[in-house]
Amino acid sequence: EIVMTQSPATLSVSPGERATLSCRASQSVSTNLAWYQQKPGQAPRLLIYGASTRATGVPARFSGSGSGTEFTLTISSLQSEDFAVYYCQQYNNWPPITFGQGTRLDIK
Amino acid sequence: QLHLQESGPGLVTPSETLSLTCTVSGVSLSGGRYYWGWIRQPPGKGLEWIGTIYYSGSTYYSPSLKSRVTISVDTSKKQFSLKLSSVTAADTAVYYCALRVGPTGHYFDYWGQGTLVTVSS
Repeated sequence: EIVMTQSPATLSVSPGERATLSCRASQSVSTNLAWYQQKPGQAPRLLIYGASTRATGVPARFSGSGSGTEFTLTISSLQSEDFAVYYCQQYNNWPPITFGQGTRLDIK
Repeated sequence: QLHLQESGPGLVTPSETLSLTCTVSGVSLSGGRYYWGWIRQPPGKGLEWIGTIYYSGSTYYSPSLKSRVTISVDTSKKQFSLKLSSVTAADTAVYYCALRVGPTGHYFDYWGQGTLVTVSS
């Protein structure tokens, strides 16, 4: 089973600033990686698939990069609606599909 | 607009079988190369994949749950179902149904709102 590790667990950033979230895989997942955003009481929302392709309707301030074992989600200029929990998910070697434990993005 | 909605009991007795149904609307499912999945989230915790059924009918389950899980799909009714047997308190979670409609890959671009299932006597 591929273990996905996200860091940091919590990130505090001011609105308008850049946020950088990391996700590491225990072995290579190529670019078979997705990012989701989850707000309290809501279902996850797909942001990125294929490590760097934005899903339909996702603002351009969200960008994904990386391949192999190291991945980054960058939010270029944080808006109030971006404060949420973010999960990465690998789909290269499965079953099982595996998720990271999440990074909580808080308002500083 | 594609919409998924989970339905089923919110309370299940330990050792019994949890049964949920997901109804999809807003899309024609015939001929689509969709992946239909179930994911759960224990209160205050992260996401756990339960299993997926392909458009072909092939099923794939989490190894940790495989002995207790059955996922099926009825495209004519636009529904897919989850059965999880011999439940315990550890199965208490919000259960999400999800669908991959987009390009190739085992991710999920559409999700239901989730339904909380509590296992308790």
